[in-house]
Amino acid sequence: GAGVSQSPSNKVTEKGKDVELRCDPISGHTALYWYRQSLGQGLEFLIYFQGNSAPDKSGLPSDRFSAERTGGSVSTLTIQRTQQEDSAVYLCASSSSSGASTDTQYFGPGTRLTVL
Amino acid sequence: GDSVTQMEGPVTLSEEAFLTINCTYTATGYPSLFWYVQYPGEGLQLLLKATKADDKGSNKGFEATYRKETTSFHLEKGSVQVSDSAVYFCALGSNYQLIWGAGTKLIIKP
Repeated sequence: GAGVSQSPSNKVTEKGKDVELRCDPISGHTALYWYRQSLGQGLEFLIYFQGNSAPDKSGLPSDRFSAERTGGSVSTLTIQRTQQEDSAVYLCASSSSSGASTDTQYFGPGTRLTVL
Repeated sequence: GDSVTQMEGPVTLSEEAFLTINCTYTATGYPSLFWYVQYPGEGLQLLLKATKADDKGSNKGFEATYRKETTSFHLEKGSVQVSDSAVYFCALGSNYQLIWGAGTKLIIKP
């Protein structure tokens, strides 16, 4: 079946502009995660959605970052007023269960964001 | 807080050599442990996992054993191939988050 898909695969933007990154999880997966992979910080958790519950936003680095998940499926990560330090690969993952620590998370190919 | 430490790379080996990539963790409770792999130009994919102490995860000739007494989850393979060249990440499951090691780049030379 289809895996996690993300779009765009690459995004180049100018400092100060807003960007939207999209994630389409595996059909039927209730848990969705966003991570960021950057040279300086490695892989970092950003946000977690489980079904229709309120998301855990504890990993978002600033209030310029927000995310939503519509209809319990597709998710959009929005970065407002982008800064050069936001340049990274943004990864989306989904899992089929309740988000327990034993779950396998399935990752999309990522969106490479470059802020000039 | 929870953390994962893995050996720095790059690790360069000849084909058919024995591989060990060290991974140790710090955690409260009993986390699940994972190895993910990122092949060049591809996304992260699960290589293997273990959910409790003394469990051994295995896949594609790779193995790792969850050692609670040494808080370790070292990745091993008896005979590596050029196709194993990739970046390997050790991670622990903390509630629903994955806490990641820094990644180890593995280069296998023919």
